[in-house]
Amino acid sequence: EIVMTQSPATLSVSPGERATLSCRASQSVSSKVAWYQQKPGQAPRLLISGASTRATGIPARFSGSESGTEFTLTISSLQSEDFAVYYCQQYNNWPKTFGQGTKLEIK
Amino acid sequence: EVQLVESGGGLVQPGGSLRLSCAASGFTVSTYWMGWVRQAPGKGLEWVANINQDGSEQYYVESVKGRFTISGDNAKNSLYLQMNSLRAEDTAVYYCARGLKVGTTTIGAFDVWGQGTMVSVSS
Repeated sequence: EIVMTQSPATLSVSPGERATLSCRASQSVSSKVAWYQQKPGQAPRLLISGASTRATGIPARFSGSESGTEFTLTISSLQSEDFAVYYCQQYNNWPKTFGQGTKLEIK
Repeated sequence: EVQLVESGGGLVQPGGSLRLSCAASGFTVSTYWMGWVRQAPGKGLEWVANINQDGSEQYYVESVKGRFTISGDNAKNSLYLQMNSLRAEDTAVYYCARGLKVGTTTIGAFDVWGQGTMVSVSS
């Protein structure tokens, strides 16, 4: 099973600033990584697939990148609605696995 | 509008069974990979199961193999999760989700999610 490790567990950032969230895969996942945003009481929302392709309707301030088995979600200028929990997921191998999540909170 | 609506959750005793349903609208379930993802209270997301378009392939997380069965009904445009021999650790919100498709290529991420249905396993 591929383990996805997210860091940090909690990230405190001020509105308007940049947020950088990390996710490390325990082995190669061939760019098959997605990022999701989840707000309290809501279902997850797909942000990024293929490590860097924004989903339909996702603002350009969200971007994804990769370097080997390290994946990064960057939010360039935080808006109030961006404070939520973010999950990465690999879908290269069964079972599909999620990271444990990063909570992005207002500083 | 593309939508998924789950139902069938509830309180069940350990060892019991439940059948979750997921009604789709705005698209045809039989043309997409579909899956179930769960989230225990206060915890992260856990992928549970997937089924392909014609139902010939199913995949499960190890902890539910032999106890859960994923299936689809083309006539009702719905997805199901039959859960048997339920355990306390199966307590979670269960989400139905659609596999992302770009053109005719299925991408393994989930692009449409239902609102979830709560399953509680307790005596």
